[in-house]
Amino acid sequence: QAALTQPASVSGSPGESITISCTGTSSDVGGYNYVAWFQHHPGKVPKLMIYDVSNRPSGVSNRFSGSKSGNTASLTISGLQTEDEADYYCTSFTGSPARVFGTGTKVTVL
Amino acid sequence: QVQLVESGGGVVQPGRSLRLSCAASGFTFSNFGMNWVRQAPGKGLEWVAFISHDGNRKLYADSVKGRFSISRDNSKNTLSLEVIGLSPEDTALFYCGRDRGAYYIDYWGQGTLVTVSS
Repeated sequence: QAALTQPASVSGSPGESITISCTGTSSDVGGYNYVAWFQHHPGKVPKLMIYDVSNRPSGVSNRFSGSKSGNTASLTISGLQTEDEADYYCTSFTGSPARVFGTGTKVTVL
Repeated sequence: QVQLVESGGGVVQPGRSLRLSCAASGFTFSNFGMNWVRQAPGKGLEWVAFISHDGNRKLYADSVKGRFSISRDNSKNTLSLEVIGLSPEDTALFYCGRDRGAYYIDYWGQGTLVTVSS
């Protein structure tokens, strides 16, 4: 199972909105409404931000939102804050036994 | 609250073996599938293995099949990963994580570092 494709880096200024893409195929992202996103500050515990494409777990800021179109899912961070600087990964249901992560995106707040 | 605490990492020589553990608390461990995920230095997250809630189903990434073995003891709320034939390419931070929806991890441990070096 090939990794889902994400841009290596995305940057924005405080207060701006940025969008991270996660591109798969019709066998994973495009085939199911099951995409999740994680935030990972290096050295810390990864944190679930979005599941089932657009659902936020309790306690996650509503500045984070998810969507999907065709084989590409997206995570949008609105009102960018310095604490949002981290690595972000997507994952998708694949219909096969293996789990798969995205390649990861480093978000930089300028 | 859900807590996952990994242990067992360390510095090992190439070719040696190691057993990683993950102690779970704050939820009914026997109701959930569990995963191991690793992150090599400077690299992204790589899913390694999954075990079903009852231990009857085990899945492995192709990169570790035959060398890694996942197991669990529901009576002790413990998840394990036996790794044999370690190579420097296995150097990574290993995380355990609770499986949800058959595709994502909702809670992660803090990780245990495995360094393979002579």
